[in-house]
Amino acid sequence: DAKTTQPTSMDCAEGRAANLPCNHSTISGNEYVYWYRQIHSQGPQYIIHGLKNNETNEMASLIITEDRKSSTLILPHATLRDTAVYYCIVRVSDNQGGKLIFGQGTELSVKP
Amino acid sequence: DAGITQSPRHKVTETGTPVTLRCHQTENHRYMYWYRQDPGHGLRLIHYSYGVKDTDKGEVSDGYSVSRSKTEDFLLTLESATSSQTSVYFCAISLRAGSKNIQYFGAGTRLSVL
Repeated sequence: DAKTTQPTSMDCAEGRAANLPCNHSTISGNEYVYWYRQIHSQGPQYIIHGLKNNETNEMASLIITEDRKSSTLILPHATLRDTAVYYCIVRVSDNQGGKLIFGQGTELSVKP
Repeated sequence: DAGITQSPRHKVTETGTPVTLRCHQTENHRYMYWYRQDPGHGLRLIHYSYGVKDTDKGEVSDGYSVSRSKTEDFLLTLESATSSQTSVYFCAISLRAGSKNIQYFGAGTRLSVL
């Protein structure tokens, strides 16, 4: 699985959009970009994933650049409950269950 | 939470004692995983299972063994606990639907080895 690079930490004002970047310059054509987050003391939680098109769900939007070497997770209206560590993971979505390789992630602090 | 229960949630034990952590799922998922999480290391895969009696090692498997005698239970055993195994342990299951291959995690077990 390709490696990812994320900023160590970011701040965001409550109610504003939080834009979390991720670089994955060695991504392969069959690898998806997944985002998980981990709120303090809880297990990681799936947010969203995509291959090459932008994706949106009830939690967030995912913007993937045309060359697929980077992506941005967007939380449109961040709340205090969005304070967490956000992990960008690149992996093949295969039939074998697959393993997640977590990096250090970005610690997002949403401030009032 | 995909029906995942980890037990115990907290445990304190002494160096050299055996410890077994249990992960129980209620939805008949084929794939199950054990991760550990330590400051500065994120989550690291210990072992995983792709079916009853089918298991494989992850990146930090030394000192750990696993067993899966039935679909719903995946046990992680520390044969002789060491202080370096003090950690938070997470169990996960894998759910595949279309292009999605998502892992759902349990609430974690906090283990302290004194």
